[in-house]
Amino acid sequence: AQKVTQAQTEISVVEKEDVTLDCVYETRDTTYYLFWYKQPPSGELVFLIRRNSFDEQNEISGRYSWNFQKSTSSFNFTITASQVVDSAVYFCALSEMNYGGSQGNLIFGKGTKLSVKP
Amino acid sequence: EAQVTQNPRYLITVTGKKLTVTCSQNMNHEYMSWYRQDPGLGLRQIYYSMNVEVTDKGDVPEGYKVSRKEKRNFPLILESPSPNQTSLYFCASSLRGDTGANVLTFGAGSRLTVL
Repeated sequence: AQKVTQAQTEISVVEKEDVTLDCVYETRDTTYYLFWYKQPPSGELVFLIRRNSFDEQNEISGRYSWNFQKSTSSFNFTITASQVVDSAVYFCALSEMNYGGSQGNLIFGKGTKLSVKP
Repeated sequence: EAQVTQNPRYLITVTGKKLTVTCSQNMNHEYMSWYRQDPGLGLRQIYYSMNVEVTDKGDVPEGYKVSRKEKRNFPLILESPSPNQTSLYFCASSLRGDTGANVLTFGAGSRLTVL
């Protein structure tokens, strides 16, 4: 069965520190997609990144970077030089490639609450 | 602006009083879904719809109903709300639902309190 584990419930850092949010997943499929979403205090869910299982290249977008390691079933998210505006709950999610019409579902982890203090 | 619109954003109601949370998207998306978010549990899928007139249960469907009569609308109906349905609800849509590649666009959320 699919499962996403975000072991860190809450993390608190001081501004400008680097922080890594961990995500470990389980799936039977060889083809799947991984996502990160951000939920700021205002409550909306904002898409950050999608990665397919065949692309293990790490990605960097400004201060954000993602490390996908199939060997350890992990898709970790690092924020470099964190800022107060990064304070949010971050969700990692998994979906399989082909639902076959049986279920269309994105499986979410329980989220990691990041607090960045000035 | 491409978006998913939910209403109401906030609602306090009493046990047993039927309510509907509306969801509308303007992106001509085939796939729509409802999630609920509870502390410590993350987001869990309630119902989803692959297209018009095609709906199915997610992981936590008990106590909810949905319908998809038009492509743009996917209302969530609580026929007889109970306090354990107090939660933050999200509607989401994506272009298609037959592949895990599609990115979900979420509504702003509806916070429901059942007394």
